[in-house]
Formats: sequence, structure tokens, C-alpha cells
Amino acid sequence: ILNVEQSPQSLHVQEGDSTNFTCSFPSSNFYALHWYRWETAKSPEALFVMTLNGDEKKKGRISATLNTKEGYSYLYIKGSQPEDSATYLCAYSNNNDMRFGAGTRLTVKP
Amino acid sequence: EAQVTQNPRYLITVTGKKLTVTCSQNMNHEYMSWYRQDPGLGLRQIYYSMNVEVTDKGDVPEGYKVSRKEKRNFPLILESPSPNQTSLYFCASSPGQLANTGELFFGEGSRLTVL
Repeated sequence: ILNVEQSPQSLHVQEGDSTNFTCSFPSSNFYALHWYRWETAKSPEALFVMTLNGDEKKKGRISATLNTKEGYSYLYIKGSQPEDSATYLCAYSNNNDMRFGAGTRLTVKP
Repeated sequence: EAQVTQNPRYLITVTGKKLTVTCSQNMNHEYMSWYRQDPGLGLRQIYYSMNVEVTDKGDVPEGYKVSRKEKRNFPLILESPSPNQTSLYFCASSPGQLANTGELFFGEGSRLTVL
């Protein structure tokens, strides 16, 4: 069974703070690493998909990096805003399925 | 509008009463999947389908059935629901192989309570 671990489980920051959280995954037989953003009462939405070691992706104030050799990915949020409050899920995929971590729940206080 | 539609969104039922949660996507996606979400456990895959008439078990298939007779529909069937199937269920679809840039598009979720 492949385990995807995310830390921390939850995080509270003040508006304007920068923050980051971690996703670790099995480094063998790697195919792709996905990040999703899941707001309360909505559906998860894709943020990034990364396939190559060293990949870096950016969307506005949010960025992500990937290290497939050691099996981890970081998600960074610069200058957090209240609208960034959500659960951030990472997922490890092969051709057939996608294994999700339990998520990091971020709360940004005004 | 491109979307994945699940019904019902909310359901309270009793143990043993068969139910079906429908899922339909209008994006002509080949891949479809069902997940359940329970506190502290993240999304766990129940079943997935790579194409019409092709379905496979995920991590937690016990107590569930699926079918893929048409490309757009992927219903989840609980033949004899039990209280441990109380959960939030998500259907998702993807245009291609997940190993590439095949991101998942999720439905809005179906919250099921089995008494």
C-alpha cells in the first residue's frame, strides 16, 4: 500500500504571513504528484501536477516544488489571504489510480 | 458548462435499503472514479473505470458496485448499505491517464448517512 503523508495536519496563520506545508510519498515507481485545493462545501480543484524531479510550478502567490528522489513536495503560499483558507490535498498517481494524503487544513485569520 | 454532476447531494437511509448515487460528466472523459472522504483519512478510492465496460477496484471496494455502460455515466451502487458506509462521496473524471497531466475534475459530493 502506498502512503501519502501530509504535514502539518492543520495550520493557522495571520493574513500576510507566508507559509508552507509538506507532502511525502513513496519515491519508487513515481509517475506524478498532484496538489488540489478544497474549500469547505465545494469540490476539490486541481492546483498543480508535477512529473519531473526538480519541477517547480507557480500560480499567483502559490507555488510548489517536487523532489522525486527523496519523495517529497512542498507547497508555498506567499502573503496568505483569508480566501486562501482551505484544505490542501496532495496526491500521488500512477496510470490507474490516485492516492491522496489526508490534507493540510489552512486557516488564514484577517 | 463542463461539469461532473452527482445525485443525490444528500441522503439519509436505513441499513439494507439499496441505493444508487448517480454520476454524469459532460466532458467526454474516459477515466472516472469514486472516492469516499472520512475525517482524518483523506480521499480513498472505491472503484475506477478507464473506459466503457472497464472497471477496477480501488482501495475500499467492499460493499459497493459500479457499472460503466456509457462513457458519461458511472453510478455507485450500495446493494445493502451499512452504517460504516456513512460518508461523503465524490465522483471524479479525467480526460486521460493520471500519470500525465490528467487532473481530476470532481463532482460536488454526496453526503450519505446510513442509520
